[in-house]
Amino acid sequence: GQSLEQPSEVTAVEGAIVQINCTYQTSGFYGLSWYQQHDGGAPTFLSYNGLDGLEETGRFSSFLSRSDSYGYLLLQELQMKDSASYFCAVLSGGFKTIFGAGTRLFVKA
Amino acid sequence: GAGVSQSPSNKVTEKGKDVELRCDPISGHTALYWYRQSLGQGLEFLIYFQGNSAPDKSGLPSDRFSAERTGGSVSTLTIQRTQQEDSAVYLCASSLQRGIDEQFFGPGTRLTVL
Repeated sequence: GQSLEQPSEVTAVEGAIVQINCTYQTSGFYGLSWYQQHDGGAPTFLSYNGLDGLEETGRFSSFLSRSDSYGYLLLQELQMKDSASYFCAVLSGGFKTIFGAGTRLFVKA
Repeated sequence: GAGVSQSPSNKVTEKGKDVELRCDPISGHTALYWYRQSLGQGLEFLIYFQGNSAPDKSGLPSDRFSAERTGGSVSTLTIQRTQQEDSAVYLCASSLQRGIDEQFFGPGTRLTVL
């Protein structure tokens, strides 16, 4: 089967750094994406890693290790508005996108 | 430019009725995706289109679900003989082309089957 594992919840304080891990097992692999979803909203794209290594976009960075079937999303200088659900997603064989169950991030003052 | 639009935004129907959900992707995007999201859950992949063709229909939950795309643009997801377990938010996304995984999502259609 195909599965992605990520923590269900993470809590952090404003200004801190938080890392959300994702491990995957899929049939075929093209890349790992991260999406943010606020309550009642649609998912919005954050990053995509097709190759091993770190991708940085402002306060957000994403990492991929294909040999370990592992990636993470790093959020720096946390702000209250970062409170949301974060989904990792694998672009797998047949260009099917498989999403994890999501990590709910709570940012406290 | 306009983003992905979906209609209706909300649909309440009775068990056993058929429903049609519509998705209008971003102009020029050749790839289109349908997902289903239950409350507090992740996104369940249903089907994707490259142009008008759907190479992989294995994500559709049952043969009551079907989808089509015409003119490489608008897509319709049809659910026949709806059941209460079909209640969810149905999300559509589009991307510039297959394999480019920056998907742009529409606001979704919240389907409630009574």
